[in-house]
Amino acid sequence: DAEITQSPRHKITETGRQVTLACHQTWNHNNMFWYRQDLGHGLRLIHYSYGVQDTNKGEVSDGYSVSRSNTEDLPLTLESAASSQTSVYFCASSEGGSNSPLHFGNGTRLTVT
Amino acid sequence: GEDVEQSLFLSVREGDSSVINCTYTDSSSTYLYWYKQEPGAGLQLLTYIFSNMDMKQDQRLTVLLNKKDKHLSLRIADTQTGDSAIYFCAESLSGYSTLTFGKGTMLLVSP
Repeated sequence: DAEITQSPRHKITETGRQVTLACHQTWNHNNMFWYRQDLGHGLRLIHYSYGVQDTNKGEVSDGYSVSRSNTEDLPLTLESAASSQTSVYFCASSEGGSNSPLHFGNGTRLTVT
Repeated sequence: GEDVEQSLFLSVREGDSSVINCTYTDSSSTYLYWYKQEPGAGLQLLTYIFSNMDMKQDQRLTVLLNKKDKHLSLRIADTQTGDSAIYFCAESLSGYSTLTFGKGTMLLVSP
């Protein structure tokens, strides 16, 4: 069965360190997305990609970057981790178009100390 | 701009119906979605409705859309304890694949 996998499930890091969260999907979807989920804010879009070599900023992109070198992967990098980036991060993918539902991974819980 | 609002909490007894409400502001929404999130998991798509429809039924789930008032609701019939979760409303706009989510409604079903 096709799926979307995030790793690691849990990560603790220190302020100022660079951190990369992995996202891998086997749906062969063109679109991939990164959201963060925080109490009181729901899900907010960080970055998204509509295909290989395409990346776009979302609502809360400051301090984050992504790259899309193949269809399956969209890693999310925190250039210099800050305590405000402690959150649960979700990756999602969709086939394309406004009628394509998102398929979500199970999330990565990141703690920045 | 885009904004999706939901009530934060709903508590019902097992066997009752649950109604979760959502309002949105962007009139160019094309699809409206309901997602369910169980503890420690990602979001799962429950159902969706196209903006030119006013109702969609799928087993125990009924979605009602009032486009004039920009109001969406999800009714769960015969609610079970396994329905306890956070429910998110989301909208997509014409030509865009990104979704805007509400903050989520936590549904607690007691025996």
